[in-house]
Amino acid sequence: DAKTTQPPSMDCAEGRAANLPCNHSTISGNEYVYWYRQIHSQGPQYIIHGLKNNETNEMASLIITEDRKSSTLILPHATLRDTAVYYCIVYRDDKIIFGKGTRLHILP
Amino acid sequence: DTGVSQDPRHKITKRGQNVTFRCDPISEHNRLYWYRQTLGQGPEFLTYFQNEAQLEKSRLLSDRFSAERPKGSFSTLEIQRTEQGDSAMYLCASRRGSWADNTEAFFGQGTRLTVV
Repeated sequence: DAKTTQPPSMDCAEGRAANLPCNHSTISGNEYVYWYRQIHSQGPQYIIHGLKNNETNEMASLIITEDRKSSTLILPHATLRDTAVYYCIVYRDDKIIFGKGTRLHILP
Repeated sequence: DTGVSQDPRHKITKRGQNVTFRCDPISEHNRLYWYRQTLGQGPEFLTYFQNEAQLEKSRLLSDRFSAERPKGSFSTLEIQRTEQGDSAMYLCASRRGSWADNTEAFFGQGTRLTVV
């Protein structure tokens, strides 16, 4: 089973920041949090990952709480092309185990 | 294109037939993963390789499924005596590094199997 829990769906207005939460209360001290997304009919795409410091790249920002039990993926200016299922993942013994993810709807 | 490639992209087969899918990972990625995804569900782990060694198979993987990675490069997934329940998207992913390395995986576009 996946080590993370996410809300099943979220809406966000186009141009606004999309904040996607994830709980990973059983994460171990050396385990990273990864985010992938899957646009309809495509393979999953890597977005970002982090251990305990906040991370930012050209796609998104990742905020990890100090106790590392939860994190938030931030898409700063959501567009219609960001409509996808977003997966928060903690690798399990070298395996990438997907949960159900959050289906993000971007509203025009 | 140096990404993960899968072939074929689509496969329609009759129940009872055997099918084989191929995955070409990114060059020098030693880890290769296979997943199955049905409509509305997240990808479901099937098996993975480190180089040519198959390290783990999901208990969901019946005896009709077999995967190989003979030279540690491309991999094949074979399904024997297909059933309608095998209809799904089959995804392949690769990543570099060892168990302790924190590296991202790159996914192919998948092979969509329809069993009629």
